[in-house]
Amino acid sequence: ETGVTQTPRHLVMGMTNKKSLKCEQHLGHNAMYWYKQSAKKPLELMFVYSLEERVENNSVPSRFSPECPNSSHLFLHLHTLQPEDSALYLCASSHRQGWNEQFFGPGTRLTVL
Amino acid sequence: DAKTTQPPSMDCAEGRAANLPCNHSTISGNEYVYWYRQIHSQGPQYIIHGLKNNETNEMASLIITEDRKSSTLILPHATLRDTAVYYCIVSSPDSNYQLIWGAGTKLIIKP
Repeated sequence: ETGVTQTPRHLVMGMTNKKSLKCEQHLGHNAMYWYKQSAKKPLELMFVYSLEERVENNSVPSRFSPECPNSSHLFLHLHTLQPEDSALYLCASSHRQGWNEQFFGPGTRLTVL
Repeated sequence: DAKTTQPPSMDCAEGRAANLPCNHSTISGNEYVYWYRQIHSQGPQYIIHGLKNNETNEMASLIITEDRKSSTLILPHATLRDTAVYYCIVSSPDSNYQLIWGAGTKLIIKP
């Protein structure tokens, strides 16, 4: 039990759909992260939130839209995705930004048809 | 790009110590070495980190050479559940201390 949960665990969507990924952490952390893990590629950091403010956006296309309504919840809104966006999307949290003992959720396996 | 080099795969017998090497020859004085692992179909799991002294916790030991250009993660008594991809990461101020992930080492524990 990592204290970080993600829903749904699996998602299949068409290119014209709109969906959202949800992450919740029960650890009292102040920083939250979205990562993308594609097949045969290293984990790529997408977004970083610190105290509910976005502090990093690593050149992620606008079809990915994050939202952090409070320090315990993080969303990734998806719209008009491409098949190459199919990947495992991982959420993580840490005590604060730059505190690199990060706790990861199990991920959402996304397939875009 | 990741600042570390790791072998792509290693085998270890169950019950033996697993020693995973990592080279980070360009590490600078204020950069920490972090180790994570990722068991199949799960999110990564933090293992241990260090700056220059050797570190030990309930999961593993981290040995950092005196010049800090390489390190070794030691799992003292490997079990089948330790089969995973192990990532060695140097956290750099140049990247706002973000974790820059490489390909890691696929460790297979054999019965």
